[in-house]
Amino acid sequence: DAKTTQPPSMDCAEGRAANLPCNHSTISGNEYVYWYRQIHSQGPQYIIHGLKNNETNEMASLIITEDRKSSTLILPHATLRDTAVYYCIVRVTIKTSYDKVIFGPGTSLSVIP
Amino acid sequence: SAVISQKPSRDICQRGTSLTIQCQVDSQVTMMFWYRQQPGQSLTLIATANQGSEATYESGFVIDKFPISRPNLTFSTLTVSNMSPEDSSIYLCSVASDSYNEQFFGPGTRLTVL
Repeated sequence: DAKTTQPPSMDCAEGRAANLPCNHSTISGNEYVYWYRQIHSQGPQYIIHGLKNNETNEMASLIITEDRKSSTLILPHATLRDTAVYYCIVRVTIKTSYDKVIFGPGTSLSVIP
Repeated sequence: SAVISQKPSRDICQRGTSLTIQCQVDSQVTMMFWYRQQPGQSLTLIATANQGSEATYESGFVIDKFPISRPNLTFSTLTVSNMSPEDSSIYLCSVASDSYNEQFFGPGTRLTVL
C-alpha cells in the first residue's frame, strides 16, 4: 500500500500558487519525500524531492513539516500546462531491487483559466 | 537525465496472443522497472529488471505471464503473454539515475486487447 495520502482533486486559478498537500505520517528516518506529475497520456515526470529541509528548483518548492509527517508541493504561478495528476511518494533512494517505488492515487490538479 | 523510448507506442491485439514491448535508454543504467497503469488508475509496479540477474516480480505478477529480458544496460523487453481484455493498460518502462535519486519514465505503450 502507498505510504501517503493526498486529496483526490484540486482546482487552482491560472497565475495563482497551487499548494498540494501530502500526509506521510509513517515516514521513516531514511525515507525521502518525492513528487512526480503525470500529464495526460505521458509518463510521470520527476518534480522535486527532499529529506527534511525545504527545497526549491525551477519547477516547484517543497515544504516539509518539522516532524516530517506532511509536506506541501507549491507551484508558484500555475499555468494551464500544470494540469496533471501529482503523486507524492516516500522512499529510500533506490539502491537495490527491494527499494520499491509505490504510487498512490495522487491528486488531480486542474488549473482553470 | 535519461531519455527513454518504447516500442510500440500503442497496439490493438486479439485475446490469447502475446505482445513484446521494447524499452531503449540513451545511457547505461543498472536498474530498470516495468509498470502497468490500468485505465483511470495509478501506476502499479510489475517488476524490477537488473542486467545480469532474473527480474524481481511484485505480488500479483508472475514470470509466465510477464516475462522480462534485460540483455544489456540500455535495453529491456516486457512480454504480455496470453492476453485477455483485462490486460488492456498502459505499460511504462522506467530507469533509476546513476545517483539513484531520480527515476525517469518512458512515454508508455498503450495496449488494447479485444
